[in-house]
Amino acid sequence: DADVTQTPRNRITKTGKRIMLECSQTKGHDRMYWYRQDPGLGLRLIYYSFDVKDINKGEISDGYSVSRQAQAKFSLSLESAIPNQTALYFCATSEGRRAFFGQGTRLTVV
Amino acid sequence: GIQVEQSPPDLILQEGANSTLRCNFSDSVNNLQWFHQNPWGQLINLFYIPSGTKQNGRLSATTVATERYSLLYISSSQTTDSGVYFCAATSGTYKYIFGTGTRLKVLA
Repeated sequence: DADVTQTPRNRITKTGKRIMLECSQTKGHDRMYWYRQDPGLGLRLIYYSFDVKDINKGEISDGYSVSRQAQAKFSLSLESAIPNQTALYFCATSEGRRAFFGQGTRLTVV
Repeated sequence: GIQVEQSPPDLILQEGANSTLRCNFSDSVNNLQWFHQNPWGQLINLFYIPSGTKQNGRLSATTVATERYSLLYISSSQTTDSGVYFCAATSGTYKYIFGTGTRLKVLA
């Protein structure tokens, strides 16, 4: 089983809908991250969390919210999806040195 | 915050050729990693290398922290090496900042 698991792997949703992307990890790391990747661009940081009570905005947090339900779980929500949020989303964890990524969620907003 | 730049943006090689990918960063780093994104979108850890040199098979990496750059060497390239190569760094905080990547295509 993967150490960092994202669900769903693919999702098509309609404009205006609320959607949640989930991430769980078995690595025991405190640090968790959500990134977004658009074609031709690198990964950009949406939100990050260094422990259950610590949530921080990244460089592109507008339109997104997160919840850290437990050390192992970090969810990303799009409150009202828009086509501009069509992208590949990655969850990552870190022990403070290396980052480990999930397999990604391909989200399409129509 | 730290800026990460990669070059070249695109690279096309014939199978068997060697290549060097570069990552420049604007500040001192406490972490630096190289990743390979395969055609299915998965990010594969290649190297954790905030300083020094490491080798793994046909791949090797060198980071010269004092001069703020890292190099990834691919020797005897194979078609399976195709994809996008990213470097990511943290500086001070533990936010991983990515470069925009080098897109590599290896032709048979």
